[in-house]
Amino acid sequence: AQSVSQHNHHVILSEAASLELGCNYSYGGTVNLFWYVQYPGQHLQLLLKYFSGDPLVKGIKGFEAEFIKSKFSFNLRKPSVQWSDTAEYFCAVIPYNTDKLIFGTGTRLQVFP
Amino acid sequence: NAGVTQTPKFQVLKTGQSMTLQCAQDMNHNSMYWYRQDPGMGLRLIYYSASEGTTDKGEVPNGYNVSRLNKREFSLRLESAAPSQTSVYFCASSEKIYYGYTFGSGTRLTVV
Repeated sequence: AQSVSQHNHHVILSEAASLELGCNYSYGGTVNLFWYVQYPGQHLQLLLKYFSGDPLVKGIKGFEAEFIKSKFSFNLRKPSVQWSDTAEYFCAVIPYNTDKLIFGTGTRLQVFP
Repeated sequence: NAGVTQTPKFQVLKTGQSMTLQCAQDMNHNSMYWYRQDPGMGLRLIYYSASEGTTDKGEVPNGYNVSRLNKREFSLRLESAAPSQTSVYFCASSEKIYYGYTFGSGTRLTVV
């Protein structure tokens, strides 16, 4: 079945460590790609998005993601995490010719001081 | 403040009871969505409405009905609640799909 996969379910880091969260999708054709963040007790907020152009996308709060078409991947990165980055991160895809956002299962990030 | 407003924020139902979750947006968005969020399963689309007067099923529509009352409002109804419907429900809206979605703050529903 077509899907969005986030293989890291739970990541624990110390402050200042580098972060990379994986996201793979299985939809063919053109896709639109998103990363959302959900801080504890809050709703989802958009971190960044990719539609076309430069495959390296910069978002808010120092996050970036790279679209690698050949690998069907859109991994999220941050060079140095902070305690305030503790949250759940969701990758999402809009498959070609649809208007539905399909989410991955999420990655819970815990950052310790 | 502009955004998506969901009511109620919390609700406890007994099995078999019915209720309607309300959602309203004031951004003049055409499309509106209902998702449920369950641990380890991410967000799954229940129903969506691409425009006023239209609704379509998502991934997990069974046990739910929706109404797009007007451009602003999109309600989700549970006719006969079941414990499997215990979840956090999020409403979202979008103007154009590539802008991303704006989410409401969620409704935490428990069915006992």
